[in-house]
Amino acid sequence: GENVEQHPSTLSVQEGDSAVIKCTYSDSASNYFPWYKQELGKRPQLIIDIRSNVGEKKDQRIAVTLNKTAKHFSLHITETQPEDSAVYFCAANGSGDKLTFGTGTRLAVRP
Amino acid sequence: GAVVSQHPSWVICKSGTSVKIECRSLDFQATTMFWYRQFPKQSLMLMATSNEGSKATYEQGVEKDKFLINHASLTLSTLTVTSAHPEDSSFYICGTVPSYNEQFFGPGTRLTVL
Repeated sequence: GENVEQHPSTLSVQEGDSAVIKCTYSDSASNYFPWYKQELGKRPQLIIDIRSNVGEKKDQRIAVTLNKTAKHFSLHITETQPEDSAVYFCAANGSGDKLTFGTGTRLAVRP
Repeated sequence: GAVVSQHPSWVICKSGTSVKIECRSLDFQATTMFWYRQFPKQSLMLMATSNEGSKATYEQGVEKDKFLINHASLTLSTLTVTSAHPEDSSFYICGTVPSYNEQFFGPGTRLTVL
């Protein structure tokens, strides 16, 4: 099955700086890579996703890049704000709708 | 995104009792729902895939006789934790896929077993 690794496990940045979270996956059949933001005690919220037919996608301050050859994808948050503080999870779908999640990155944005 | 509800949002029960958690898809018909478990400061772990009108598919290591799943309609899936023990205390989340691959989650149910 799919195996997703995520780094770093914790990340602290100054407000206004950029944050980058990286994930690798093992199943070459994976073609869908979502990123979720989870605040304490709440459900994961889909913030951006990318499919295997594109290499980069951007939505305002958030961007995701995908390198299918190397089997890795990354989340980039620019101009970070305190409200970006949360746990972020990457995921990959294998060959269907089942998602395998990374271990999570706890992002802290210092005011 | 899809609107998914879960009930209850939290439950406390005694060891040995059973607890039922409901997951409802409010704005579309879900032939498939996913059940996850999340321990504190850990990631989401898929427990099983719930299929409307047929048996659920369980992930390796998940006891199907302990975690009973019923998906009797296109808008409702239930997870019953039977003979719950303290180690079953966790955050249980259901997920649905209303469109190609995109998965949305219910608000979760926090189970505490005393």
